[in-house]
Amino acid sequence: QQQVRQSPQSLTVWEGETAILNCSYEDSTFDYFPWYWQFPRESPALLIAIRPVSNKKEDGRFTIFFNKREKKLSLHITDSQPGDSATYFCAASANSGTYQRFGTGTKLQVVP
Amino acid sequence: EAAVTQSPRNKVAVTGGKVTLSCNQTNNHNNMYWYRQDTGHGLRLIHYSYGAGSTEKGDIPDGYKASRPSQENFSLILELATPSQTSVYFCASGDVPNTEVFFGKGTRLTVV
Repeated sequence: QQQVRQSPQSLTVWEGETAILNCSYEDSTFDYFPWYWQFPRESPALLIAIRPVSNKKEDGRFTIFFNKREKKLSLHITDSQPGDSATYFCAASANSGTYQRFGTGTKLQVVP
Repeated sequence: EAAVTQSPRNKVAVTGGKVTLSCNQTNNHNNMYWYRQDTGHGLRLIHYSYGAGSTEKGDIPDGYKASRPSQENFSLILELATPSQTSVYFCASGDVPNTEVFFGKGTRLTVV
């Protein structure tokens, strides 16, 4: 079953707006949540990651908000730029686990 | 910077034929992974390895075998390729599950 779920499947925002990408997970032992981004015809690459010791992680225009009780997190991209257009994958893993589980991705398009 | 190299980058195979996808990493990572990426399914793990000589089944191992003859090399083998195995395959490496995973550039496989 899908242990990491993402929504929406696709999202279009105007340049300068804030894009919000959602992620939820099943396994309460997950304790590492990376977000990867993937540009067309390229491979995924790490964008930003959070561990549950905090409920927020910020890196420039990208911020992860984490809600452990609800097993949800979200990626906020402020002042979205056309260059942010990509597919974003939420992933999760446990320190005692074996590998990262990936969601099905959100395809973001930022329109100028 | 972490380096994961896949070969070939593109492959056309006939149904029933044998296909071997190769992956080499120069990061001295213990863990290596094979994912396939299909629209609507995100990244799904086929096989992974903890080190030379080890292979483990991921979430969708049926129809695939893996081989890890050395720390650097990890192969994915399709003994009897089928059209349903047409996909983009990514090899990746990582130190431990709860850290960044580094992806290769991918192999686009078409089975006709």
